[in-house]
Amino acid sequence: DTAVSQTPKYLVTQMGNDKSIKCEQNLGHDTMYWYKQDSKKFLKIMFSYNNKELIINETVPNRFSPKSPDKAHLNLHINSLELGDSAVYFCASSQESAEAFFGQGTRLTVV
Amino acid sequence: DQQVKQNSPSLSVQEGRISILNCDYTNSMFDYFLWYKKYPAEGPTFLISISSIKDKNEDGRFTVFLNKSAKHLSLHIVPSQPGDSAVYFCAASPYYGQNFVFGPGTRLSVLP
Repeated sequence: DTAVSQTPKYLVTQMGNDKSIKCEQNLGHDTMYWYKQDSKKFLKIMFSYNNKELIINETVPNRFSPKSPDKAHLNLHINSLELGDSAVYFCASSQESAEAFFGQGTRLTVV
Repeated sequence: DQQVKQNSPSLSVQEGRISILNCDYTNSMFDYFLWYKKYPAEGPTFLISISSIKDKNEDGRFTVFLNKSAKHLSLHIVPSQPGDSAVYFCAASPYYGQNFVFGPGTRLSVLP
């Protein structure tokens, strides 16, 4: 009965491949996010998506694109994967209260 | 450019004692602050929040203090328990519920 779930938990892939990470929330929240936790453990926001409005962190390469088929889902597509994309990616959601609920993370390793 | 800093990467405390985790920020526009706790292989979980109109917020064993003039906040856990051992992230935002900036985290170890 997980509130925010993301799949897969682990993803190992070769450079140049295209991959997707799925995220679903069953909390009825209006806003969903993708965060990247880099090698220095910083959690940095990549995207927020609210009622069809996408806010992009300008530092995110355009190889990364979020796709939201409906309010409960925000999937992350990554094209032409690079070694530097290796990180843990967290999906999160929030409603009117400020705190976000996070998924368990997806550890992406690009080899 | 780290807008949210947690200068102690790790902290060890004896069970039953007080744990104090510190967080500093540089952006004077930040108005809302959260603390998250993270266990290994799990996502961060919300712990406690404070807005800039308050200087203290308490929830059970957890208290967050905000000193806006110093751009500093701290999380106090008392008494500390072994189950509190985790990484604690401070997060700040200029907007209620929007795009939080996270610090690098402090790993707390509570020793039995």
